[in-house]
Amino acid sequence: AQTVTQSQPEMSVQEAETVTLSCTYDTSESDYYLFWYKQPPSRQMILVIRQEAYKQQNATENRFSVNFQKAAKSFSLKISDSQLGDAAMYFCASSNMNTGFQKLVFGTGTRLLVSP
Amino acid sequence: GAGVSQSPRYKVTKRGQDVTLRCDPISSHATLYWYQQALGQGPEFLTYFNYEAQPDKSGLPSDRFSAERPEGSISTLTIQRTEQRDSAMYRCASSSGTNTEAFFGQGTRLTVV
Repeated sequence: AQTVTQSQPEMSVQEAETVTLSCTYDTSESDYYLFWYKQPPSRQMILVIRQEAYKQQNATENRFSVNFQKAAKSFSLKISDSQLGDAAMYFCASSNMNTGFQKLVFGTGTRLLVSP
Repeated sequence: GAGVSQSPRYKVTKRGQDVTLRCDPISSHATLYWYQQALGQGPEFLTYFNYEAQPDKSGLPSDRFSAERPEGSISTLTIQRTEQRDSAMYRCASSSGTNTEAFFGQGTRLTVV
C-alpha cells in the first residue's frame, strides 16, 4: 500500500520569497508517479507538477520545482518568487504505474499563506 | 463541456435519506474518478470508470455507496441511508486515458444532519 505524509500543516511566506513544502511517501512499487496539487479557495484541484519515479531529473514548471530524493522517498515542492495567488492548500500525491494515474493517494495537505 | 461539472454544489440531507451526486466529465474523456475528501484531509479514492466499465471500486467504504456511468459519459454516485460520517466533499475527475492528467471538478459538499 502507498502512503503519503505531509508533516507541515501550515507554512508562511512573503511575496517574492521562496518556500519549500515537504512530502515523504512510502510504496512497494518500483514504478510510480508523484504529484503536487493546489487547492485554492475556489475548491478546485489543480495539478501543479508531476514526476515519474524513473526519471532522475527533477521536474520544473515555471516557478515550481521539485526535489525528488528517491532513496529517501522524499518529494518536496519549491515555489520561487511567491505570489499572492499561490496561497492555497497544497496536496502531495502518489500513484503507481500499474494502476495509472487514477488511483491517487493523497497526503493531508499543507496550507500556504502568502503575505504582501 | 469545458470542464468537469458537478451538481449540486452543496447538499444537506437528513440521516437515513438517500442522496445522488452527479458528475459531468470533460467531453470525450474516457476515464472518470470519484474521490471523497473529509474535512482537513486529502481526497481518498472511491472508484473509477473506463467508459461505462467500472474496473475498480475498492475505495467505496460500504455497500451503501454505489456509482454508475451507464452511457460512458455522465456518472452518478449514490449513497443510501446516509450517516453523519458520510459528510464530506465528493470530488469527480476525468481524464482522456488512465495514464493522463486528471482534471477535477469543484466538488459537491455533502452534509448529513
